[in-house]
Amino acid sequence: DAGVIQSPRHEVTEMGQEVTLRCKPISGHDYLFWYRQTMMRGLELLIYFNNNVPIDDSGMPEDRFSAKMPNASFSTLKIQPSEPRDSAVYFCASSFTGRGMNTEAFFGQGTRLTVV
Amino acid sequence: QQQVKQSPQSLIVQKGGISIINCAYENTAFDYFPWYQQFPGKGPALLIAIRPDVSEKKEGRFTISFNKSAKQFSLHIMDSQPGDSATYFCAASRADKIIFGKGTRLHILP
Repeated sequence: DAGVIQSPRHEVTEMGQEVTLRCKPISGHDYLFWYRQTMMRGLELLIYFNNNVPIDDSGMPEDRFSAKMPNASFSTLKIQPSEPRDSAVYFCASSFTGRGMNTEAFFGQGTRLTVV
Repeated sequence: QQQVKQSPQSLIVQKGGISIINCAYENTAFDYFPWYQQFPGKGPALLIAIRPDVSEKKEGRFTISFNKSAKQFSLHIMDSQPGDSATYFCAASRADKIIFGKGTRLHILP
């Protein structure tokens, strides 16, 4: 397996524009996480899915943020409209929960978002 | 969010020395405590992990010490090497979500 694949790697957009980040988890994994990394706040959990169903979106900062997982092999994180304070590295991660116990989360390479 | 508090924010250690990073958690429902290592431009990757039924786990130069009653755990890197220079995240998890500390930027002086 190629690991967790995120696209694009880098995104520069103007304030007010819509931004869509994409993630392909590792095949067979049942959990998918979206994190945001900044120097000030570290790795923040935004939302996570179990078997394509959103479980907890309490980390999503505002209604401008939305995430979907239409099937087991694809997820998107959308920001509309984008603002300069959304600039960060966004990571997608997936994991497999065997016997009800969490195991290693595998991270993608991240998408570096810059909103100007 | 349930918090995981990590310290120090940054750490400089001489080559060959011991690097120590500490974490504390609040929720006693957590049952899995991993440490992740992140190099610039890369995503975090699992380094070592422990479950609360043991007090210590060692893998090569890396050791996790776990104190369940104090709700604290720490990472020790023995004989630290320049290649260990990275950002380290502790985390706490139950069967679903994984909560990370804010990270420690470790720099090993050659």
